[in-house]
Amino acid sequence: DADVTQTPRNRITKTGKRIMLECSQTKGHDRMYWYRQDPGLGLRLIYYSFDVKDINKGEISDGYSVSRQAQAKFSLSLESAIPNQTALYFCATSNRIDQPQHFGDGTRLSIL
Amino acid sequence: EDQVTQSPEALRLQEGESSSLNCSYTVSGLRGLFWYRQDPGKGPEFLFTLYSAGEEKEKERLKATLTKKESFLHITAPKPEDSATYLCAVQAGGGSNYKLTFGKGTLLTVNP
Repeated sequence: DADVTQTPRNRITKTGKRIMLECSQTKGHDRMYWYRQDPGLGLRLIYYSFDVKDINKGEISDGYSVSRQAQAKFSLSLESAIPNQTALYFCATSNRIDQPQHFGDGTRLSIL
Repeated sequence: EDQVTQSPEALRLQEGESSSLNCSYTVSGLRGLFWYRQDPGKGPEFLFTLYSAGEEKEKERLKATLTKKESFLHITAPKPEDSATYLCAVQAGGGSNYKLTFGKGTLLTVNP
């Protein structure tokens, strides 16, 4: 089983819909992150959480919200989806600041 | 602002033809430089962390090196299974030390 699991793997939805992407991990890491990946732009940080009570905005948080339900679970929500939020979304975890982040296999999100 | 530039954007090699990928960076006090491999439809897979200039890490046909301004990923006698996108990321020290800044990647294709 994967250490970092993202659901769903693919999602097609319409403009204006509310969408939730979920991430769960079995690595026992405290730190969790949400990124989006766009062609030609690389990976960009949306939100991050260093523990259950700590949530922080990344560089592109507008239009997104998150919930850290437990140490192992971190969800990303798009309250009212718009087409330019079409992208690959990745969840990642890490143990310490200077340790590598470990990524899930992503959710491919298309907003029509 | 932290910046990471990877070159070339794409590289096509014949099996057995060694080469290097470049990652140039500007960062306020480097805490760590990370190399990842990403296969289509998958999340980035961690390869190496380098912490200080002069450091080298090796894994099978891959060797990563670090100077004060850039990192190289050397690929010796590559095989078709080495085909992937290789991502470089830097983490700065200081107040923004949660953040990884990613390059846009180098797409490596190894032909049999």
